[in-house]
Amino acid sequence: GQQVMQIPQYQHVQEGEDFTTYCNSSTTLSNIQWYKQRPGGHPVFLIQLVKSGEVKKQKRLTFQFGEAKKNSSLHITATQTTDVGTYFCAVSQGGSEKLVFGKGTKLTVNP
Amino acid sequence: DAGVIQSPRHEVTEMGQEVTLRCKPISGHNSLFWYRQTMMRGLELLIYFNNNVPIDDSGMPEDRFSAKMPNASFSTLKIQPSEPRDSAVYFCASRAGPATGEKLFFGSGTQLSVL
Repeated sequence: GQQVMQIPQYQHVQEGEDFTTYCNSSTTLSNIQWYKQRPGGHPVFLIQLVKSGEVKKQKRLTFQFGEAKKNSSLHITATQTTDVGTYFCAVSQGGSEKLVFGKGTKLTVNP
Repeated sequence: DAGVIQSPRHEVTEMGQEVTLRCKPISGHNSLFWYRQTMMRGLELLIYFNNNVPIDDSGMPEDRFSAKMPNASFSTLKIQPSEPRDSAVYFCASRAGPATGEKLFFGSGTQLSVL
């Protein structure tokens, strides 16, 4: 089945530093979604990328979809303590309706 | 909108007991997913439904797990008999339709502990 590798598994930064998490697939993706899960909470949808090479921004968050539609990244500029949580990418492949999640990157921010 | 509602929030039970987890999706949503989250395995898709019909249950660990969706506003995930390795957070999520571009809305989850 469709699998996606997400790295790193953990990332600890000082407040103000940047953060990036990556998702990689061995096959071409139809689209990719990103979710954030706060500690003790549930995943919350952030954004979806569909087009090859697409770049979307949400304030300090920048999302990119690779040209080959096999990888994606989430970059946070100048992290804040409110950014703490686990960031997941989620993918479906071709006509599949299943949404499969990466293992996530757990971000901790030292104030 | 109240969002996806799951109950109970926490469940502690003894090995061998039956456990039933409940989910009410967002009204009007046609697709419903059950996920299990553990430290080791992350978020695993167990089963999903479209229009109350189970579409893919390949993620259900074994015959001890079963899921039903008798109507558009209610779904259950049952574990019988439960085992300690079933301890996890179980999430229900719904989305407006089957299209892969639709986003998922998650419930708050059920924290299951099997002793």
